[in-house]
Amino acid sequence: AQRVTQPEKLLSVFKGAPVELKCNYSYSGSPELFWYVQYSRQRLQLLLRHISRESIKGFTADLNKGETSFHLKKPFAQEEDSAMYYCALSGVGGGSNYKLTFGKGTLLTVNP
Amino acid sequence: DSGVTQTPKHLITATGQRVTLRCSPRSGDLSVYWYQQSLDQGLQFLIQYYNGEERAKGNILERFSAQQFPDLHSELNLSSLELGDSALYFCASSVGPDSGNTIYFGEGSWLTVV
Repeated sequence: AQRVTQPEKLLSVFKGAPVELKCNYSYSGSPELFWYVQYSRQRLQLLLRHISRESIKGFTADLNKGETSFHLKKPFAQEEDSAMYYCALSGVGGGSNYKLTFGKGTLLTVNP
Repeated sequence: DSGVTQTPKHLITATGQRVTLRCSPRSGDLSVYWYQQSLDQGLQFLIQYYNGEERAKGNILERFSAQQFPDLHSELNLSSLELGDSALYFCASSVGPDSGNTIYFGEGSWLTVV
């Protein structure tokens, strides 16, 4: 079974401070990991995926297979980063492995 | 705009009733997914269709059913509604059926069961 754990429901930081949103996963195989963001009253949108190795809006995430983690980081948080962040996992293979399994999300608040 | 459209945006209905939520995927996308987002359960995968065929099934109740039509739009039918079915229902689409494709979400349909 695949599972995604985001241990923090809420995370509050001040503008300019570093931020790290934690994500741990459980999957017997090679997963694909994603971060989705949902700004207030907007749809879920893909922020980044581990295979792209991109930095989007200053965010990066590194897949650590040893620790089964995919933490999202940004060195200097901005107020506009305030949103709900979801870590998601997809297996590689047939059937239900194709589905995205989401963590319960972390609500990030960046205070001025 | 991701191009995934969902109707209705908001819906209030009584317990025991039946509703249908509709989703039009992005142009060219063959795969449609349905997710339920509630405060206590978070985002739960319900079901996936690819080119008209059921591809994967998640935590979808027997009272719920879905289908994807030849024009690729999809409908999620919720019947014998209970208070606990109140949630935001998201539709998403992707080009192909597998995880290698980016999934784009619609704005969701807010269902309130009273």
